[in-house]
Amino acid sequence: GESVGLHLPTLSVQEGDNSIINCAYSNSASDYFIWYKQESGKGPQFIIDIRSNMDKRQGQRVTVLLNKTVKHLSLQIAATQPGDSAVYFCAEIHNTNAGKSTFGDGTTLTVKP
Amino acid sequence: DTEVTQTPKHLVMGMTNKKSLKCEQHMGHRAMYWYKQKAKKPPELMFVYSYEKLSINESVPSRFSPECPNSSLLNLHLHALQPEDSALYLCASSQGVGSYEQYFGPGTRLTVT
Repeated sequence: GESVGLHLPTLSVQEGDNSIINCAYSNSASDYFIWYKQESGKGPQFIIDIRSNMDKRQGQRVTVLLNKTVKHLSLQIAATQPGDSAVYFCAEIHNTNAGKSTFGDGTTLTVKP
Repeated sequence: DTEVTQTPKHLVMGMTNKKSLKCEQHMGHRAMYWYKQKAKKPPELMFVYSYEKLSINESVPSRFSPECPNSSLLNLHLHALQPEDSALYLCASSQGVGSYEQYFGPGTRLTVT
């Protein structure tokens, strides 16, 4: 069946280092991917998205890479800050017109001062 | 105003009770969503409303009944719930179902006793 999964449930980095959070997906027909950040006690917050016809997209301090050959998605956070500590989910859009999203299992990022 | 609000923040109900969760947005979004999130798990889509009409029901049991009275409001009516329905219920909205950036509320923490 379709699934979106993350390689590691937890990641701990030193403040100022770069973070890389990974996600593997199984549905080669997915045409859109989103990264969300969920802080404790809050709902998920949109970070960045990427279409399946792209390999890379950059935002402020974040970069998403998409490797369709191996069905792999990653989120890179530059100069990680304590405020980046949260759970990060990748989400796969099944049908661009139906609004259906499937979330992966999530990676908990902890930033050590 | 880029906020999705949800009330109540916390709700404890017995298995014979009837209660409702409320969600509100004033961003002019025409798509609204209900998700269920268990502890340490990703959000799971329950319902999607597009232009105040139910467009997706992810085979949710009938003890959960959604309602969209107008374009700004989304309700989730609860009746005869089970303890396993205890979870965080998240509401989200987007410009349309074809718009991938969803804005999430903080959720309602529901406990069924």
